[in-house]
Amino acid sequence: EDQVTQSPEALRLQEGESSSLNCSYTVSGLRGLFWYRQDPGKGPEFLFTLYSAGEEKEKERLKATLTKKESFLHITAPKPEDSATYLCAVQAERGSYIPTFGRGTSLIVHP
Amino acid sequence: DAGITQSPRHKVTETGTPVTLRCHQTENHRYMYWYRQDPGHGLRLIHYSYGVKDTDKGEVSDGYSVSRSKTEDFLLTLESATSSQTSVYFCAISEAGLREDTQYFGPGTRLTVL
Repeated sequence: EDQVTQSPEALRLQEGESSSLNCSYTVSGLRGLFWYRQDPGKGPEFLFTLYSAGEEKEKERLKATLTKKESFLHITAPKPEDSATYLCAVQAERGSYIPTFGRGTSLIVHP
Repeated sequence: DAGITQSPRHKVTETGTPVTLRCHQTENHRYMYWYRQDPGHGLRLIHYSYGVKDTDKGEVSDGYSVSRSKTEDFLLTLESATSSQTSVYFCAISEAGLREDTQYFGPGTRLTVL
């Protein structure tokens, strides 16, 4: 059974204080790993897809990296508008294409 | 933004009444999904569809049914709503099977069952 564990559950940062969110996964052959951002009262918004270990993708202050067991979402010099819940999901190589989601990390960035 | 709309956006209903939520897409994606999101549980798949009239169950399908008569519409029905079905419901779409098979989500429907 595919599993995704995100840590920490909640993270409070000061504006400009860089940090990382973790997504550990167990899957029988990784097809893809997805990162989403979710603002309160809204649907998840797609950020990145990573397909193979060593791959990295960047968008503004966010950088996602992937190893064979986990993914990190690095947030450099965060701003209050980066406050949101960040979701990770994995998709297995075989079987259905339904991704398995983690429970998310709630990030609050204080000015 | 992916062209996904959900209706209604908010609904309050009473226990035992039927409820239908609608998801409409303008992207012509083959796959459509219904999730519920609850504190402490994250996103849980209810049902999904891989084509017109082709549907399958997810991990929390009891008490829910779905229908897809057109590519663009996916309906979720609660035959007899219960308080445990109070939740936020999200529709998602994807072109599963291709390399770029990312799921894109709608804005959600907040359902309260009294």
